[in-house]
Amino acid sequence: DVKVTQSSRYLVKRTGEKVFLECVQDMDHENMFWYRQDPGLGLRLIYFSYDVKMKEKGDIPEGYSVSREKKERFSLILESASTNQTSMYLCASNFETGGNYGYTFGSGTRLTVV
Amino acid sequence: RKEVEQDPGPFNVPEGATVAFNCTYSNSASQSFFWYRQDCRKEPKLLMSVYSSGNEDGRFTAQLNRASQYISLLIRDSKLSDSATYLCVVHGSYIPTFGRGTSLIVHP
Repeated sequence: DVKVTQSSRYLVKRTGEKVFLECVQDMDHENMFWYRQDPGLGLRLIYFSYDVKMKEKGDIPEGYSVSREKKERFSLILESASTNQTSMYLCASNFETGGNYGYTFGSGTRLTVV
Repeated sequence: RKEVEQDPGPFNVPEGATVAFNCTYSNSASQSFFWYRQDCRKEPKLLMSVYSSGNEDGRFTAQLNRASQYISLLIRDSKLSDSATYLCVVHGSYIPTFGRGTSLIVHP
């Protein structure tokens, strides 16, 4: 089975800190995604990547950046954490552009910014 | 109009009941469709893909109506363990759009 691993399950950071969320997948998937999930708002796409060193903005990229230096790793960076970035962050990957195959999610990182 | 819409529920049904959810989408060019299941405080997991001809997996049946632009999920003989949030996913050319989910509660 494809495994998507997120480095931390729970994280507490202070306002203004730089925060790194790491995601690693082990099935050579080209596509990787970062979402945040908030009650009542569902899953919202922050950034995605179709290849190494390639990134595209999703629906809510403000306050975030990403890095994909290796195919298996996609990092989400909060440049200066703010309390409105308290959320559940989910990484996902899939094999093919066009979505003929489903997405596999990591178990999520619940980030609290205080 | 939201791109993908679902009734948030909750749908509260007794064990053994049949329950159906719909999900409407606005982009007529959408190409692929999925249902995901998400348990409380867990990540979404793929339940099933939705094919044009409809597909069935045990107690679960998924259907696509392109003319009316909706997909549906039917659960027969509901189990307590079916309690979860069900997300529909609609895929255009590159990126997926998730519905906000429908909550199902199956009670004894």
